[in-house]
Amino acid sequence: SQQGEEDPQALSIQEGENATMNCSYKTSINNLQWYRQNSGRGLVHLILIRSNEREKHSGRLRVTLDTSKKSSSLLITASRATDTASYFCATDKGWDNQGGKLIFGQGTELSVKP
Amino acid sequence: DVKVTQSSRYLVKRTGEKVFLECVQDMDHENMFWYRQDPGLGLRLIYFSYDVKMKEKGDIPEGYSVSREKKERFSLILESASTNQTSMYLCASRGGTYNEQFFGPGTRLTVL
Repeated sequence: SQQGEEDPQALSIQEGENATMNCSYKTSINNLQWYRQNSGRGLVHLILIRSNEREKHSGRLRVTLDTSKKSSSLLITASRATDTASYFCATDKGWDNQGGKLIFGQGTELSVKP
Repeated sequence: DVKVTQSSRYLVKRTGEKVFLECVQDMDHENMFWYRQDPGLGLRLIYFSYDVKMKEKGDIPEGYSVSREKKERFSLILESASTNQTSMYLCASRGGTYNEQFFGPGTRLTVL
């Protein structure tokens, strides 16, 4: 089963509103990465947050990490129609007997209506 | 900027053909990955490599093989393509101080 689980599965908002997506995971991690994927395209790396960080910003993106709750959230402020995409979280447990694979969630489909 | 490139955006092949998907990264990363992505199934890891000439099976290696002769290049091979291998194939490269993973643009493979 997937380590990361995004919530909600789908989100529809109006342009200018904020969008919040959540990610929960099951085991301890070294870091957590967020990605965006436009339809039919590859995944674009948005931001990485380390396990000893609680919050990180990049432009209109704000990511939080709560290791006690094993959860992370991605906030997109002042959304634009071009933010319409699927968003994935991926957890990194570090190099272990599984070879340090990232574990991906199923993603949140964000639709921003103009 | 990290760049991961894949040889084709779209590819159409016939059942039984041998298919090569090429991936090149320019960040001197040691770790490279091949995934496939299908609706409802998410991203699934096929193979990965943590060094030249090294390879490890992922979650769904059956029907695939890989080659890593040079650090920057990781190839996925479908020895005899089948219709159930129609999918989006994504290559990724990973490294740097915090082990960030970057993806290529993807190859949409259709096997007829």
